[in-house]
Amino acid sequence: AQSVTQLDSQVPVFEEAPVELRCNYSSSVSVYLFWYVQYPNQGLQLLLKYLSGSTLVKGINGFEAEFNKSQTSFHLRKPSVHISDTAEYFCAVIAANAGGTSYGKLTFGQGTILTVHP
Amino acid sequence: EPEVTQTPSHQVTQMGQEVILRCVPISNHLYFYWYRQILGQKVEFLVSFYNNEISEKSEIFDDQFSVERPDGSNFTLKIRSTKLEDSAMYFCASSRTGSNQPQHFGDGTRLSIL
Repeated sequence: AQSVTQLDSQVPVFEEAPVELRCNYSSSVSVYLFWYVQYPNQGLQLLLKYLSGSTLVKGINGFEAEFNKSQTSFHLRKPSVHISDTAEYFCAVIAANAGGTSYGKLTFGQGTILTVHP
Repeated sequence: EPEVTQTPSHQVTQMGQEVILRCVPISNHLYFYWYRQILGQKVEFLVSFYNNEISEKSEIFDDQFSVERPDGSNFTLKIRSTKLEDSAMYFCASSRTGSNQPQHFGDGTRLSIL
């Protein structure tokens, strides 16, 4: 089974400042990793994903994340945030070695509410 | 860009009543999912559906729950006899293939049980 821990439930930051949202995972098998964003009254929108290859992945809206296998982390970063980035962010994993036992079940973290202040 | 659509956006139901939540996945997607999020808690997996049958379900998905793809476009979640603890936001998702492919989510149905 997999589990995901997002270390910060709320992150307040001023506009144009850098931000890092932390995510750690636990799994007995390899995983694929995702970050989703949820704006108020909307569904979950994919920000970026790590499947294989380069450990630094870039997503939409200027976000990027780095996969660190030794630390089982997948932290999300943005060098300069905007007011419009205010939302809840979810880290999620899927077991990579499906082997016929997983059809894409996403396991989510608790979510981090990013609030960008002017 | 194609979207997953869910109806209704908000459903209020008396405890013990049956409720059906509806979803229209993206048209060329083959895998379908339901998740729920109780207020203040994590998004939790309920069930995945492929090739007209359940491929995986969580311990939450007991006999009170069922899913169906009644035609080529809709994907429904039925709760037979609702309980207060079923109050949550229910999200439908679909993906082109399973496993590592991104899942596209609808905006959710907020289910309130009175």
